Amino acid sequence: DQQVKQNSPSLSVQEGRISILNCDYTNSMFDYFLWYKKYPAEGPTFLISISSIKDKNEDGRFTVFLNKSAKHLSLHIVPSQPGDSAVYFCAAPRSSNTGKLIFGQGTTLQVKP
Amino acid sequence: DTAVSQTPKYLVTQMGNDKSIKCEQNLGHDTMYWYKQDSKKFLKIMFSYNNKELIINETVPNRFSPKSPDKAHLNLHINSLELGDSAVYFCASSRTGDQPQHFGDGTRLSIL
Repeated sequence: DQQVKQNSPSLSVQEGRISILNCDYTNSMFDYFLWYKKYPAEGPTFLISISSIKDKNEDGRFTVFLNKSAKHLSLHIVPSQPGDSAVYFCAAPRSSNTGKLIFGQGTTLQVKP
Repeated sequence: DTAVSQTPKYLVTQMGNDKSIKCEQNLGHDTMYWYKQDSKKFLKIMFSYNNKELIINETVPNRFSPKSPDKAHLNLHINSLELGDSAVYFCASSRTGDQPQHFGDGTRLSIL
């Protein structure tokens, strides 16, 4: 049972445009969400997070939006840069303090110069 | 200065062998993890340790045995390797269980 889903395996955008990566979840008990970025042959790197008490969190070019009623979150990257080309994973902790993260299957973003 | 380091980066071995993967973190974190990324690219947690104590043990075969000699190290020993064990194994750490995790660069294990 995949509780965190990223239904788009890949996304291609032009440099300077907006990239929107989507994530859906099924467990309404999730109260915290994270996005990780992964380059080939490297481990995932934490990018940005959002608590369920918020509907938006912004950090520079990266903004995460949370729609609790739809059980949907999205990561916006504006403007997109070629260095943003990577695999993006969304994740949610199954319980509040065990660190057990449930990951989506990832979306590969390609930003074309 | 690497924060979470795993060795080896690549491991090629034959079915039935026993192998170990080492992980060390220099971040002063209390919690460490092992994840497996399978051929479908799903990242799934295997184990979690907090201050050398096991707190998460997912339904992992008991051929996999984590060992934490101190809170900066979490090694993974695998007995009687099987073809299905081929994957990339990631070690991670966090300050506490509810903080973002820092990952190592992974160990690609290939079973012949």
